[in-house]
Amino acid sequence: DAKTTQPNSMESNEEEPVHLPCNHSTISGTDYIHWYRQLPSQGPEYVIHGLTSNVNNRMASLAIAEDRKSSTLILHRATLRDAAVYYCILKTSASKLTFGTGTRLQVTL
Amino acid sequence: DTGVSQDPRHKITKRGQNVTFRCDPISEHNRLYWYRQTLGQGPEFLTYFQNEAQLEKSRLLSDRFSAERPKGSFSTLEIQRTEQGDSAMYLCASSLDRVSETQYFGPGTRLLVL
Repeated sequence: DAKTTQPNSMESNEEEPVHLPCNHSTISGTDYIHWYRQLPSQGPEYVIHGLTSNVNNRMASLAIAEDRKSSTLILHRATLRDAAVYYCILKTSASKLTFGTGTRLQVTL
Repeated sequence: DTGVSQDPRHKITKRGQNVTFRCDPISEHNRLYWYRQTLGQGPEFLTYFQNEAQLEKSRLLSDRFSAERPKGSFSTLEIQRTEQGDSAMYLCASSLDRVSETQYFGPGTRLLVL
């Protein structure tokens, strides 16, 4: 699977929007962009995924660059419960996820 | 609760002992995955099944590790002759068989080898 690059950590104030970036310059045409997050002491949790178009769901929005070499996960109003490690993953086949080290998001009052 | 469940949640064992973990996936999911996660790292893929067939194994899965999914439902992961380096969180996930399909993870089994 192609590699992704994310900042190690980010901070946000509660109730403010958070933009989590991900670079994937070697993405192929068939790679889906998936985001998962992992809260402390829990298994990873699916957040959102997309292929070419921007996507919205109840948890977040995914903005995909026109050339698909980068994407941004947007949490519209961060809460303390959003403090987690966020993983950006490229997925070609219906098999394994290849996790990096992700971005640790801290949310403060 | 119809999510992925894992048992036990915690296991402490002595070096050299064998341990077995169980994963019960979401019932209609035909794919089941095992991952391992050490402190400060993202999960690493170990192996996955489609129904009862084990389709891929990582090089991380040494000969001391064996996984089964005998009837295409629950799965077991056994570690023989445990070593201190096996201490980690073992995560199970399940999904349907589609490229875009999301994986649903269980809470994990935390193993400590003394």
